[in-house]
Amino acid sequence: EIVLTQSPGTLSLSPGQRASLSCRASQSISGNSLAWYQQKPGQTPRRLIYDASTRATGIPDRFSGSGSGTDFTLTISRLEPEDFAVYYCQQYVIIPRTFGQGTKVDIK
Amino acid sequence: EVQVVESGGGFIKPGGSLRLSCAVSGVTFINAWVSWVRQAPGKGLEWVGRIKSTTDGGTTDYAAPVKGRFTISRDDSKDMVYLQMNRLTTEDTAVYYCTHLREMTFADWGQGTLVIVSS
Repeated sequence: EIVLTQSPGTLSLSPGQRASLSCRASQSISGNSLAWYQQKPGQTPRRLIYDASTRATGIPDRFSGSGSGTDFTLTISRLEPEDFAVYYCQQYVIIPRTFGQGTKVDIK
Repeated sequence: EVQVVESGGGFIKPGGSLRLSCAVSGVTFINAWVSWVRQAPGKGLEWVGRIKSTTDGGTTDYAAPVKGRFTISRDDSKDMVYLQMNRLTTEDTAVYYCTHLREMTFADWGQGTLVIVSS
């Protein structure tokens, strides 16, 4: 099983600031088979990024993904009020599929 | 537009069984891969299992905590996927999401159905 460790646990930022969220895997993720999801309170998760860096349809370009191997990053270039949420990374290279524990981005 | 709708959640006692249903529309269902993902109250996301498309063999895979207790099946004539949950424990209490996979990822989510296992 691939364990995904996200950091930090909580990121306190102001609107307009840049957010960098880290996801580290316990073993190399081949093919960059890593996705990012956003979940707002009381809402269903939403896919943001797949294949480590491809934005899903309808996702604003302020969201970007990068990384390879064991280290991946989700960057939000300028935080909008609607971006304050919990973000999860997830690998889909092997079964079982696994998620990171989440990073909460909250308003400073 | 893809739509995913779960149903069947509820309150059940430990040791009991429950079947969740998932309707997927807006796709060619025989080609659809579907997963179940759950979220315990106040916790993160946990993959439960998946069923491949019929065209890819319709086989299933499960997470270790549910293997042998949960079964995912599909009825292509109804565009439905089911999650049969047996020998439920309090650890299974969660919102259960049905998801339609695209690019092997959880692209389309239902609204979730709450399962509470309690005596």
